[in-house]
Amino acid sequence: AQKVTQAQTEISVVEKEDVTLDCVYETRDTTYYLFWYKQPPSGELVFLIRRNSFDEQNEISGRYSWNFQKSTSSFNFTITASQVVDSAVYFCALSEAQSNFGNEKLTFGTGTRLTIIP
Amino acid sequence: GAVVSQHPSRVICKSGTSVKIECRSLDFQATTMFWYRQFPKQSLMLMATSNEGSKATYEQGVEKDKFLINHASLTLSTLTVTSAHPEDSSFYICSARGRQGSEAFFGQGTRLTVV
Repeated sequence: AQKVTQAQTEISVVEKEDVTLDCVYETRDTTYYLFWYKQPPSGELVFLIRRNSFDEQNEISGRYSWNFQKSTSSFNFTITASQVVDSAVYFCALSEAQSNFGNEKLTFGTGTRLTIIP
Repeated sequence: GAVVSQHPSRVICKSGTSVKIECRSLDFQATTMFWYRQFPKQSLMLMATSNEGSKATYEQGVEKDKFLINHASLTLSTLTVTSAHPEDSSFYICSARGRQGSEAFFGQGTRLTVV
């Protein structure tokens, strides 16, 4: 069975501080995909990143960076110089790649509610 | 990027009535669509997976007769909540995926309130 754990339920930081959101996953599959999504108060899910299990390179996109470590089954997300607009719920998700017509389903973590204090 | 449109964004219905939610992929062919449900301040739970032209595959514990899913074309899937009850009030969100391994694009979600 696959599982995604986001131990941090809520985090509050002052604007311009850096913040790291943790994500630990469990899967028996050797091929899988990891995702991060942002859910602002309006409810829609905003795709942030996808990473496949064979690519452990860290990634940076502007103020966002991701640290993927297979050895610890973690895929952590860091926001540097946080801004008020970063306030949202962030979900980490796992997809076990299957061969049947791309029929992959996402297992989400419980989410981390991030509040940036002005 | 790819756009998935979900309609309506909000709906209030009376207990016992049925509600249909549409999920459309606007600029790509969605071979597979997924329907999720999110209770307040909780995670998204997959309800069912549908492939175009096939019957949906429901997750354990999801009543297929209550949550009817139709995926009649490569750009449209519908979720019908039949005989809705207040406990069905939730945020329903669809996602659509094209090729295997690609990211899922989510709709804007539908907040259903059953009174």
